[in-house]
This record gives sequence, structure tokens and C-alpha cells, in this order.
Amino acid sequence: GENVGLHLPTLSVQEGDNSIINCAYSNSASDYFIWYKQESGKGPQFIIDIRSNMDKRQGQRVTVLLNKTVKHLSLQIAATQPGDSAVYFCAENRNGATNKLIFGTGTLLAVQP
Amino acid sequence: DTGVSQDPRHKITKRGQNVTFRCDPISEHNRLYWYRQTLGQGPEFLTYFQNEAQLEKSRLLSDRFSAERPKGSFSTLEIQRTEQGDSAMYLCASSPSGGPTGELFFGEGSRLTVL
Repeated sequence: GENVGLHLPTLSVQEGDNSIINCAYSNSASDYFIWYKQESGKGPQFIIDIRSNMDKRQGQRVTVLLNKTVKHLSLQIAATQPGDSAVYFCAENRNGATNKLIFGTGTLLAVQP
Repeated sequence: DTGVSQDPRHKITKRGQNVTFRCDPISEHNRLYWYRQTLGQGPEFLTYFQNEAQLEKSRLLSDRFSAERPKGSFSTLEIQRTEQGDSAMYLCASSPSGGPTGELFFGEGSRLTVL
């Protein structure tokens, strides 16, 4: 698929294990930090976001952690399933008036059955 | 299907030709965005519309690129005199108006190959 690039960081996990995908961001003034999932041949799909005044937010099987001290964002996926295989991008909302997002480099999550 | 739709999904063209992509956002969404994505990279912001007004353009959007949203509904992105470096996936996204959020609704993209 278009996002299986040779230079993408890759995380390989066993089905049923937990996955942790990490991201470093640069702009301390961002309002929101977001995780997107992109499957091969498809557009990015919103997973979860976290406001800059929070440090943790939970969704269904996913948790996002924000550490503003070290400008680090992580996505935890519990009980990883084959359908979770995709490229994951972190993004920052640097302009709350327009919701323009700046995307980081993706991580390919490969779930082994 | 009431998601964001893009057309065509794939376009192969020769260098120097013009191409146009269309995006139909989710109907009640005021905001519309165009992004470009190359292999292995995250989407890069190109331009943003609030209704029919184009409010922000990236420096990536050279003068060969033009985007319109004439009636505040669908949008078109035209690339004139295409170059091989224009080969990429062009993604459209929309979102409702309102406060800050991280959620944009993306289409499946239009893949451009310039020979």
C-alpha cells in the first residue's frame, strides 16, 4: 500500500498484546494533539485527541498520554487486533480558529497473528 | 455513504498537462481542507476554506496550484503544467464549524502520477 514506506518506523506486535506508539512534537502552543490511523489505500481516520491542558484521555481500547514537559505524545492500544494494522500519525492543531493540523511522521503497526 | 468523496481516485498524466480534482465534503461541514501526501510521509497542509472563502494557503501551494470552493459546498484543486514532483496523494478533509478540535473527516484521496 501507499503508506508502507521503506523508511517508516515500524512496530511489530503479537495479536492480543498491547501496543504503544510514540511521537515527539515541537510546538508548545498547540491546542490539541491527535492520533490518526491510515490503512493502505485510504484516507486518515481520526482515533482520539487530547487537549493541551490534559495529560491522559481514554477511548475504546485506546489511551492517549501527553507529556508537555518533554513534548511527547503516545498512543496505547489494548489487546491489539489484526484490524489495527495500519500507519499511525500524530498531529497537532496549531490554530484553533481554523483547525489546521500539522502531521508528524507515521509509524507502521504490524500485528502478527 | 455520507462521507467525504473525492474524484477521480486515480489520475495519470503527462508532464505539462493540467489536472483537476474534486472534493465533496460532508454536507453540513463549513470547513474544507486540502492536504498532499507522499509515500511514507504524513499529510502536508495545502489550503483551507471556511464556506467559500479561502482563508489560508501553504507556501507549498505554488502559483501552479489553485483551489476554489465557489458555493461553499464542493471544492476543486487544479494543478497547471504538472511536474513529476507533483506526484502524490491529494487528500480532502472537512469539519464542522465550532471550537478547536482534532477531528477532520478525510476522503480517500486522489492519487496523481505525473509521467
